[in-house]
Amino acid sequence: GAVVSQHPSRVICKSGTSVKIECRSLDFQATTMFWYRQFPKQSLMLMATSNEGSKATYEQGVEKDKFLINHASLTLSTLTVTSAHPEDSSFYICSASGTGVSGNTIYFGEGSWLTVV
Amino acid sequence: LAKTTQPISMDSYEGQEVNITCSHNNIATNDYITWYQQFPSQGPRFIIQGYKTKVTNEVASLFIPADRKSSTLSLPRVSLSDTAVYYCLVINTGGFKTIFGAGTRLFVKA
Repeated sequence: GAVVSQHPSRVICKSGTSVKIECRSLDFQATTMFWYRQFPKQSLMLMATSNEGSKATYEQGVEKDKFLINHASLTLSTLTVTSAHPEDSSFYICSASGTGVSGNTIYFGEGSWLTVV
Repeated sequence: LAKTTQPISMDSYEGQEVNITCSHNNIATNDYITWYQQFPSQGPRFIIQGYKTKVTNEVASLFIPADRKSSTLSLPRVSLSDTAVYYCLVINTGGFKTIFGAGTRLFVKA
């Protein structure tokens, strides 16, 4: 299957600072990327959908000024958590779909653990 | 978006066949049924996808009845390493946006 890679896998930041998580599609062009958040023992919660070259569409309840999403190229999307606070600590996962991917499906990154101290 | 319903948890023993059923009553014409496996602290991993009837790959089979309102993931001869959460997703090829249900927590015992 297609490969989606996230970086960093783990990051610790101080409260009030910003942190960026990258999501790359390694072997296909991702026209659409999704960002999810997952708390321990819970399911994935969709945060936003981003199409290459367009502004992201955020789900209800997700602060777009806090979670900045950029999808400037067909292989890279970034999630920036601005002015992070301890309650933003979570597991963040991206997924991607697009041309060159076998089947009509989406592929997920490995996930990124964010800890805000 | 089609909602999915799965059993919250299942237990099995090594070597047994496990069948996990998912209901998706409001599935649309251009929706595909896709199953993922997730281990703790990892992203979901693609297992299998189907549109109708039966699909089989090297790790699983997927059975979809004619009305497509449900599907069953079949894992032959599970091992301890198959202990994970399994998600059934209905993916719309118009935009690929999908909402996760609660998933099924499979626990394989020795």
